Parts: sequence; C-alpha cells; structure tokens
Amino acid sequence: DQQVKQNSPSLSVQEGRISILNCDYTNSMFDYFLWYKKYPAEGPTFLISISSIKDKNEDGRFTVFLNKSAKHLSLHIVPSQPGDSAVYFCAASATNTNAGKSTFGDGTTLTVKP
Amino acid sequence: GAVVSQHPSRVICKSGTSVKIECRSLDFQATTMFWYRQFPKQSLMLMATSNEGSKATYEQGVEKDKFLINHASLTLSTLTVTSAHPEDSSFYICSASLSGSGTQYFGPGTRLLVL
Repeated sequence: DQQVKQNSPSLSVQEGRISILNCDYTNSMFDYFLWYKKYPAEGPTFLISISSIKDKNEDGRFTVFLNKSAKHLSLHIVPSQPGDSAVYFCAASATNTNAGKSTFGDGTTLTVKP
Repeated sequence: GAVVSQHPSRVICKSGTSVKIECRSLDFQATTMFWYRQFPKQSLMLMATSNEGSKATYEQGVEKDKFLINHASLTLSTLTVTSAHPEDSSFYICSASLSGSGTQYFGPGTRLLVL
C-alpha cells in the first residue's frame, strides 16, 4: 500500500505560467510534508516544507498548500521557469515516530517550455 | 548550511568485488542517515536507516549482509556493497537529517556500475 502518491508522472507547462504538482497521502499520522527537486544524476534538494498545523507555506515562487481533511497537498510554482524542469518528489513523515524518516512519492517530472 | 557529500561520485568495478561508498555531513551532526537507491526513471527506494552508534535498520527485501552499513560517527556513514553483481548497478544516494527534524539533506549520489 503506497502511503504517498503522486498520480501525475509528468507535467508540462509554458514558461511564465503556473505549475501545480499534486500529492495525496493515506497515513493520518503524517504531520510534516516536504517537496524535493531532483535533476538527473544528482541527489534531491530540499525545496519547501509544511507542518500539519499550517495550511499554506510560501517561499518566493514556491507555495505549498495542505488540505488535511482531504489528505492532499500541492506545490505551486509561479511563474514557472525553464530551470524548474526537474523531477519533484513529495514526502511525508510522522515526526513523533522514527525521526527524520520520510515516505516518498514516485515523483512528477515537470517540463517548463520556453 | 546542511551540506552532505558522497564519495566516490562514480565507480566501476568487476563482478564479485566489494565497493564502499561514504556519506558525510559537512556542516552539521547527523544522528540519522538514510541510504537510497534509484533505478532509471524510478522513484527513490529507501534501503536502510543508519543511526550513529547502533545497527542499521533495513527495509524489507534489502539484504543486510549484502549491503553493509556503518555509522561510526555523527558525520560519517558508509555503505559497502559486498560481492557486487551487475544487478547491483544503480544510483545510490544518502541523506542526513538533523536531530528531531523531518527534513533530509541529500548527497549528490554515487553511480555504481558492476561489470
């Protein structure tokens, strides 16, 4: 049973438009959520996170929204830039259990076209 | 801050040999480190959780005698792929987390090719 799901394997948007990446989870114990960005042949880099006590966190062009009742989170990138083209992983953790261990989704490949 | 390095970045070895990969947290102490592998066009697969001073916790299906993990200090964890075979060829990535933090900081990865 996959506890973190990213149902869209790929997404293509035009430069300057908004990119919306979605993630669903099933484990109600998850209380901390993260997004990572990964380029080919590199390790993932931390992008933005959100605690379950919040429903929105913003950092520059990146905003993460959390809907706890729906067990859904999304990452908004606006405006999208060609350099944003990468694989984006959603991750979730239950901070009162195995500290630091996260469950990852399968990733969504974002392509931003110039 | 929160930089994690891996060495080597790329290694080619003959079948049957052992390969050691190092993961270091450069500017922070990591009580917990994680080892992942990633196959082409696939997600990150967690192999094991490495805690400083104790035995690693392996995920289901990962052979602990095949993938030896040592976390000797708060800044260094090593993964040794023993008696490597071509099917072990993969991209291995480590990560480290600050104590009590849910955020992981990843190394740049090690590409292993077993001939």
